Amino acid sequence: GESVGLHLPTLSVQEGDNSIINCAYSNSASDYFIWYKQESGKGPQFIIDIRSNMDKRQGQRVTVLLNKTVKHLSLQIAATQPGDSAVYFCAENIMNGGSQGNLIFGKGTKLSVKP
Amino acid sequence: DSGVTQTPKHLITATGQRVTLRCSPRSGDLSVYWYQQSLDQGLQFLIQYYNGEERAKGNILERFSAQQFPDLHSELNLSSLELGDSALYFCASSVGQRNTGELFFGEGSRLTVL
Repeated sequence: GESVGLHLPTLSVQEGDNSIINCAYSNSASDYFIWYKQESGKGPQFIIDIRSNMDKRQGQRVTVLLNKTVKHLSLQIAATQPGDSAVYFCAENIMNGGSQGNLIFGKGTKLSVKP
Repeated sequence: DSGVTQTPKHLITATGQRVTLRCSPRSGDLSVYWYQQSLDQGLQFLIQYYNGEERAKGNILERFSAQQFPDLHSELNLSSLELGDSALYFCASSVGQRNTGELFFGEGSRLTVL
């Protein structure tokens, strides 16, 4: 079965608030993690990645936090906008595992932004 | 626009039939990946090709096959279709075959098997 999962299938936030999307992984050998965003009718789009030698990485309005102790990954979106409404997937891989095809995706969390 | 092109966008067919899905990767990308997305299974990796050669294999059924041509476009062939094959099929591409970095996904081909 899946070794990566998301705690909640849906998350509803008010425009302007910060959003936090959580993800648990079970493979302690995973050392590379990615967040993808999938808007309705489109393919997944890369947001941000993080390697296991880091516990935090920031992008534009997004921050990924990695807690290897509890095998937990989170995506924080600052000042959430209506355009952030989408399904968010976390994914894990092992950098020396041979291929990005080994990337295992979680089932996704749907983020809805209320105006 | 990711630069990855998939055709057809929608396809409706009957059980037992065979279909071919096509993918053109981003210009310069040598790796092509195929994923199946269904409601109950999420995004499942099927197969990867790199510069014409099979590079990695995931949960791809024996009824399914793929290839990558010299011009780097790829086709996914699905045969003896079953109702459970109804799903979104995504193609993604990347420059190389490394294990990190961004995959660029197409908009998918929605297959409905009746």
